[in-house]
Amino acid sequence: LAKTTQPISMDSYEGQEVNITCSHNNIATNDYITWYQQFPSQGPRFIIQGYKTKVTNEVASLFIPADRKSSTLSLPRVSLSDTAVYYCLVGDYSSASKIIFGSGTRLSIRP
Amino acid sequence: DTGVSQDPRHKITKRGQNVTFRCDPISEHNRLYWYRQTLGQGPEFLTYFQNEAQLEKSRLLSDRFSAERPKGSFSTLEIQRTEQGDSAMYLCASSLTETRKNIQYFGAGTRLSVL
Repeated sequence: LAKTTQPISMDSYEGQEVNITCSHNNIATNDYITWYQQFPSQGPRFIIQGYKTKVTNEVASLFIPADRKSSTLSLPRVSLSDTAVYYCLVGDYSSASKIIFGSGTRLSIRP
Repeated sequence: DTGVSQDPRHKITKRGQNVTFRCDPISEHNRLYWYRQTLGQGPEFLTYFQNEAQLEKSRLLSDRFSAERPKGSFSTLEIQRTEQGDSAMYLCASSLTETRKNIQYFGAGTRLSVL
C-alpha cells in the first residue's frame, strides 16, 4: 500500500498562496496522485490529479518532483471558502481497497 | 452537486434495528463505492462494485453489512441489527474506469445515528 503523510493542520490568511505537501515514499510506477477537498457534512470533492511534473486546473496546481515521492498541492489566493480538509491519495485504482484517505490536512483560512 | 445522490441524508434508529441506504450514481459510471466516515477521520473503504459485481469488500464490513447493485445502476447498503458503533457518515461514490485515473465523485452522504 502506498501510504501518504501530510500535515494534520495548516493556517493561512485570505489572499495568500497555500501549499500542502504530501509524502508518499513507496509510490508505485502505476500510481496516480489525487487530491480531494471535503467540507463539513459533505462528501469529498475531486480537486486535481497528476502523475508527474506539474498539473494546473482552474482551482489548483499540483507539483510532483521527478522521484514522485512527494507532491505539493498549491492553492492560489485562498479565500475563507477554502477552509476545508484536504486529502492526498495515491494509487492506480485497480484495487479500490488500496486507496487510503488518511486523516487529511485541516486548512483554516482567516480574514 | 456531483450528480451522485444518496437517500436519506439523515437516519436515526434504535440499536438492533435494520437500516437501508440508497445511492444513485452518475448514470454512465460503471464503478460504485461505499465508504464510512467517523468524526475527524477520512473516509474508510467498505466495498465497491463494477457494474453489478461486488469486487472487493473491506474487513471493516462485518456480516451485518450487505450491499447490492442490481442491474449495475443504483446501490443499497443495509446494516442489520445496528449497534452504536455503526453511527457514522456513509458515503457513496462513483467513477468511470476507462483509464487508470478513476476519479471518484462522491455523494453528500447519509448520516446514521444509532441510539
